[in-house]
Amino acid sequence: GAVVSQHPSRVICKSGTSVKIECRSLDFQATTMFWYRQFPKQSLMLMATSNEGSKATYEQGVEKDKFLINHASLTLSTLTVTSAHPEDSSFYICSAADRPYGYTFGSGTRLTVV
Amino acid sequence: QQQVKQSPQSLIVQKGGISIINCAYENTAFDYFPWYQQFPGKGPALLIAIRPDVSEKKEGRFTISFNKSAKQFSLHIMDSQPGDSATYFCAASRSYNTDKLIFGTGTRLQVFP
Repeated sequence: GAVVSQHPSRVICKSGTSVKIECRSLDFQATTMFWYRQFPKQSLMLMATSNEGSKATYEQGVEKDKFLINHASLTLSTLTVTSAHPEDSSFYICSAADRPYGYTFGSGTRLTVV
Repeated sequence: QQQVKQSPQSLIVQKGGISIINCAYENTAFDYFPWYQQFPGKGPALLIAIRPDVSEKKEGRFTISFNKSAKQFSLHIMDSQPGDSATYFCAASRSYNTDKLIFGTGTRLQVFP
């Protein structure tokens, strides 16, 4: 089956620093990748949609200059949280989409900003 | 119109019982309706999904019932087991694989022995 590898699984960073999260589709090419954010005991909220080689489309209310998304290849997308602050602490999850596998989710990254 | 409403928020079921979770949507352009299971600290995993051209789909102990006219769909877990204890999310998208998935609010299921 399709596998999406997301790294790191956990990261702790100091306030004001930047953190990069990687999402790789291991055995298929993902035309589209999605990034979600999930607060404790809440649902997944879509942050942005990215297509390989083009700029990401951000959902309303998501700061594109703070959450930089790069989808440079069909197997890799990255999310960089710039100048992170404690309120950015959350669980970030990527999802890769391609036929016939559907939507495959990564295992998530727990970001803690101290 | 983009919302997917899910109920109940939490559910407690005895082992062997049936767990039922319901979702409703408004956007008639949605044409793919998956259910996901999520354990704490993990990403969601696809359980079962349905397209609007069928009213029911069954895979093992999991069944989706779909009512297109009512714009509702539900997940039934038969013979619920303690290992089924997790959070369940319904979702919907306008175009399988290419459009974003909109998630319901989630249901925390606890199955007691």
